[in-house]
Amino acid sequence: GAVVSQHPSWVICKSGTSVKIECRSLDFQATTMFWYRQFPKQSLMLMATSNEGSKATYEQGVEKDKFLINHASLTLSTLTVTSAHPEDSSFYICSAMWTLSSYNSPLHFGNGTRLTVT
Amino acid sequence: EDKVVQSPLSLVVHEGDTVTLNCSYEVTNFRSLLWYKQEKKAPTFLFMLTSSGIEKKSGRLSSILDKKELFSILNITATQTGDSAIYLCAVEKNQFYFGTGTSLTVIP
Repeated sequence: GAVVSQHPSWVICKSGTSVKIECRSLDFQATTMFWYRQFPKQSLMLMATSNEGSKATYEQGVEKDKFLINHASLTLSTLTVTSAHPEDSSFYICSAMWTLSSYNSPLHFGNGTRLTVT
Repeated sequence: EDKVVQSPLSLVVHEGDTVTLNCSYEVTNFRSLLWYKQEKKAPTFLFMLTSSGIEKKSGRLSSILDKKELFSILNITATQTGDSAIYLCAVEKNQFYFGTGTSLTVIP
C-alpha cells in the first residue's frame, strides 16, 4: 500500500516552454504533498508544501510564479515549470503523507521526474 | 519489480543505545544507495554508497553496503535525542526508489 505515482518519469523540453509534472497518491488520501528538487549527490531540496484545497507554501528562494503547484484533490498534486530554462534541468521528486488526528504517516515518495531543458 | 524495503518500521531506544537500521533492495541496474535523515522538512543527505564492503562514517553514524546480498545497514552509536527522525533509504538507478523509512525515537 501507500503508493505514489509520479508522471512523467522523464521529459525533455525546449527553453521557454512549460512542463507539467503530476503526483498521484494511488491508494490513500494525501493531506499533504511535498515537491523536492534533487541535485546530484546532494540532499533533496524542498521546494514547496501543498495541502489539498489551499495555496502551496513555497520555501525561500523558490519562485512561486515559475513553479506553479496545484493540489486540487486529495490524490493529485501538479507542479508546472513555466518558461523553462536550461538551469531548471534537474530531478524533481514529490512525496505525500496523510494525517489522522495527531498521527503523521511516513512520507511516501514518487520515483521522480528528470527534466532536461534544451 | 524494483523495490526497497526498510526494517524495522519503527524503533524506540534510550539515549546511549546503539541502533542498526536495515535496507534491502531489489533494483536492476543499481547505481547507488543513499541514506537520508528526515526530520521536519526535506530529508537531509547522510551517505551515498556505491561499492560493497567500504564503510562510510560520519561522527556516530556509519553505513556499509553489500551488493551481493543486496542490503545496507546504517549504524548509530551512542544515540542522542537529536537522532530521533525518520531514516530513509533510497536506491538510485535512472530514478530513485525509496523505502518507507524507519522511524527512530530516542528517549532520554
